[in-house]
Formats: sequence, C-alpha cells, structure tokens
Amino acid sequence: GAVVSQHPSWVICKSGTSVKIECRSLDFQATTMFWYRQFPKQSLMLMATSNEGSKATYEQGVEKDKFLINHASLTLSTLTVTSAHPEDSSFYICSASGTANSPLHFGNGTRLTVT
Amino acid sequence: GNSVTQMEGPVTLSEEAFLTINCTYTATGYPPLFWYVQYPGEGLQLLLKATKADDKGSNKGFEATYRKETTSFHLEKGSVQVSDSAVYFCALSEGGGFKTIFGAGTRLFVKA
Repeated sequence: GAVVSQHPSWVICKSGTSVKIECRSLDFQATTMFWYRQFPKQSLMLMATSNEGSKATYEQGVEKDKFLINHASLTLSTLTVTSAHPEDSSFYICSASGTANSPLHFGNGTRLTVT
Repeated sequence: GNSVTQMEGPVTLSEEAFLTINCTYTATGYPPLFWYVQYPGEGLQLLLKATKADDKGSNKGFEATYRKETTSFHLEKGSVQVSDSAVYFCALSEGGGFKTIFGAGTRLFVKA
C-alpha cells in the first residue's frame, strides 16, 4: 500500500532555533499534502494544505511566517517551524493523497519538544 | 459546513466485549466516510472506508455501514482484543477533493 515517510520522528531543540520536518510519499505521487498538529488527547488540527509547485493554503489562525511549508516535488513536502518556542511543542503529522476522495496516508508523526 | 461528531471517550471494555463507537456527520450530498485508528505515538492508519451511501466498510473484524437516513457511520466489532486499544477517528472527505474533516476521536481501552 501507499507509504508516507515522515522524518524525524522526534526532535528536541532550543528556543529560537528552527526545525525542519520532512514528509515523503514513497510509492505514489502526492499533488496535495496536509500538515496537522495534535495536542495531547485531542483530535488533529489541520494547519495547512500543501500543493506541489504553489504556495500552501493555511488555516485560519496559523501563522504562515512561523510555519513555513514547501512542496517542491510530487513526493516531498517540508514544514519548518521557525524561531521555535516552548508553546510550539506538539505532535506534528503529515498526510498525503494521490487522488481526490481517496483515503489519506499518514506519516508516523514528529514529536517536537522545544526547551 | 461539514462536520463529524463522535461519542466521547474514553471507552473501557473487557477483552471479547462488543464494541460500538457512534459517529454522525453533517454534509452536503454523500461524501466518502472513513474510520482511522491511531496507536500510541504513531500517525493515523486507515481502518475502513465507505465511498457511498449504504456501503459497508470492513477490516480486521471492524465494520461500519454508511447510513444516509440517520447520517451515521457507527464503528462496530464483535469481540475486541487488548491490541485494539487506540484512538479511533471518524472522518469524511469534503468538497469533492482532498480535504478531510475529522471527528474529535474516541479513545478505547481494552482490559485483559
């Protein structure tokens, strides 16, 4: 089946630094990828929709300058958390779909801890 | 707008008990419906799906039927196992495209 690889699975960084998270579709082309944030024991909050070759579409309340998304190819999207602060600590998950109305394929998530 | 409502958890059951997790939706038309499962520390995995009204999705002993009359997609399993302990998310695909709307998730604990 379709596989989405997310890396790293966990990262610890200091306040003020930037962290990049990669999301790759390994065996299919993903024109659209999604980035979510999940707080403990809560549902997924969609942060942005990443479209290959164009600017990402951010959900209301998500700072586009803080969460930089790049979707440079049909198999790779990256999320960069810039100038990270402790309140950015969370579980970030990406997903991708090859075609409309198909199930999403999820990465295993990245746990970010900002100290 | 479209939305998905799930029963609140946590749900705690003994092994071999019958499971039902209720899910209802509000949507224009009949969008594809999904159940996803999230094991601790992992991303989500597709559990089952139903792409149109009256379809039944099934996988690993879990079933859900797309019922347009009641706008529901309840998840059921006849005999749960400890390994089924996870968070279950009901979801729909909206806009004829890729965007997915998730329910809040229901945490299931199964005791041996």
